[in-house]
Amino acid sequence: AQKVTQAQTEISVVEKEDVTLDCVYETRDTTYYLFWYKQPPSGELVFLIRRNSFDEQNEISGRYSWNFQKSTSSFNFTITASQVVDSAVYFCALNAGGTSYGKLTFGQGTILTVHP
Amino acid sequence: DTAVSQTPKYLVTQMGNDKSIKCEQNLGHDTMYWYKQDSKKFLKIMFSYNNKELIINETVPNRFSPKSPDKAHLNLHINSLELGDSAVYFCASSQTRVVGTGELFFGEGSRLTVL
Repeated sequence: AQKVTQAQTEISVVEKEDVTLDCVYETRDTTYYLFWYKQPPSGELVFLIRRNSFDEQNEISGRYSWNFQKSTSSFNFTITASQVVDSAVYFCALNAGGTSYGKLTFGQGTILTVHP
Repeated sequence: DTAVSQTPKYLVTQMGNDKSIKCEQNLGHDTMYWYKQDSKKFLKIMFSYNNKELIINETVPNRFSPKSPDKAHLNLHINSLELGDSAVYFCASSQTRVVGTGELFFGEGSRLTVL
C-alpha cells in the first residue's frame, strides 16, 4: 500500500521568508513517481514537478526547489523568498507500481499562507 | 483553449436528486479520471478509464456511475444524492495509463453542494 504524509497542516510566513514543505512517502515498489501540486484559492490543481525513483538529483526552478532523498523517503519542497502569490494548498503525491494506472495517492496537503 | 474542462463548475441540489457532471479533454489523452476532494481538502481517486474501459474503481458507492462515450469524455452521474456527497469533484487526464511517465492534467473542479 502507498501512503503520503505531509505532517505540516498549516504554515504561516511573512513575505520573503524561505519555507520548506515536508513530504514523506511509503511504498514497497522500487519504481515510483512523486509529484507536487499547488491548489491556489481559485481551486484548480496546478502541476509543479514530477520525479521518478531513479533520479535523486535535486531540482531548482526559479524560487522553487525540491530535495528528494530515498534514504529517508522524503521529497521536500522549498520556496525561497516567498511571495503572497505563493499562498495556496500544496499537495505531495505518489504513483507507485507499473499497474497503478494513474492512481495518485495524495498527502493531506499543507496550507501555506504568506503574509505581506 | 482549456485542456480539461468540466461542467458545471458549481452545483447545488437537494438530497435524493440525481445529477451529472461532464468532463471533456482536448489533449488527445487515452486515460481519464475522477477524483473527489472532501471538505478537509483530501483528494482521493474514484474512477479511471482508459480508452473507454474502466480500469480503476475505488470502492465507490454504486450510486456513482461513470460513463465514457469516447476517450475524450468522462461523465459522472450520481443517483440519490446524500449530504456526504458534497465535495469538489475533479476530472483529470493523462497521456497513458501509467501516469508516472507523464503528467496528470486536472480540470478546474466541480463543487457539488447537497442540501
